[in-house]
Amino acid sequence: DAGVTQSPTHLIKTRGQQVTLRCSPKSGHDTVSWYQQALGQGPQFIFQYYEEEERQRGNFPDRFSGHQFPNYSSELNVNALLLGDSALYLCASSLWGLPVQKLFFGSGTQLSVL
Amino acid sequence: AQKITQTQPGMFVQEKEAVTLDCTYDTSDPSYGLFWYKQPSSGEMIFLIYQGSYDQQNATEGRYSLNFQKARKSANLVISASQLGDSAMYFCAMREIQAGGTSYGKLTFGQGTILTVHP
Repeated sequence: DAGVTQSPTHLIKTRGQQVTLRCSPKSGHDTVSWYQQALGQGPQFIFQYYEEEERQRGNFPDRFSGHQFPNYSSELNVNALLLGDSALYLCASSLWGLPVQKLFFGSGTQLSVL
Repeated sequence: AQKITQTQPGMFVQEKEAVTLDCTYDTSDPSYGLFWYKQPSSGEMIFLIYQGSYDQQNATEGRYSLNFQKARKSANLVISASQLGDSAMYFCAMREIQAGGTSYGKLTFGQGTILTVHP
C-alpha cells in the first residue's frame, strides 16, 4: 500500500522563477493538504483540495496556487519565488468527511531559492 | 484562532527512561482534536497519538500516552522507556472538529521540541 509520495525531493530555484511540486495521496484517500515548513519551525497550512476544488486556505499570498486532478493527485505552484519561500513543502492526505483522523504525510520537497 | 505552544526547544533523556514533552493550546472552538507527530531527519511527519476534546480518558498508543488536562488547556506527550530511535523533532498539533464529528480543516502546529535520547 503506497503512502503519500512527493516529487521532486529537492529543488533549487532562483528568485523570480516559478516552481511546481507534485503529490500523490495515499491509496484510497481523496483529500490533499499542503504545508510549508521553514527551517526550525512547525508546518504552516497553505491550502486543502477535495473534489478538485480548494476547500480551505491558510494565510498565504496568491503566488501560491494549487490544483487537484481527477485521480486525486495534486500540484502546488509558487510564482515569483522569494528567498523566504525556501522551505520544506509537505503534502498530506486524508479521506473527506470521516470522523477526526490523522493526516498521512509525505517526506516533503525541500525547496531552496537562491 | 487556534494556537499551539511548545515551550521546550530541546529535551534530553537517557535511554529506557520516560520523558514528557509539553504542549499547551488555545482555541475558542468547543470541539477539537489534539495530535502529536514525530519528524525524524528524513522529514516525514509520523502520527503518534490523538486525543479528542470530549474524550473522557487519556489516549495511549504503545509507549506513547497523552496527559490531557482540558481545564489547563494542556496536552503533554509522555514517552515511556525511551529508545535511541525516538531521537527526533516532535510536534503538537490541533484541528477543529466540525458539527457531526467530522473534521475537514487545517492542522495548526506548534514550534516543535527536539528530543535527544542518550545511550
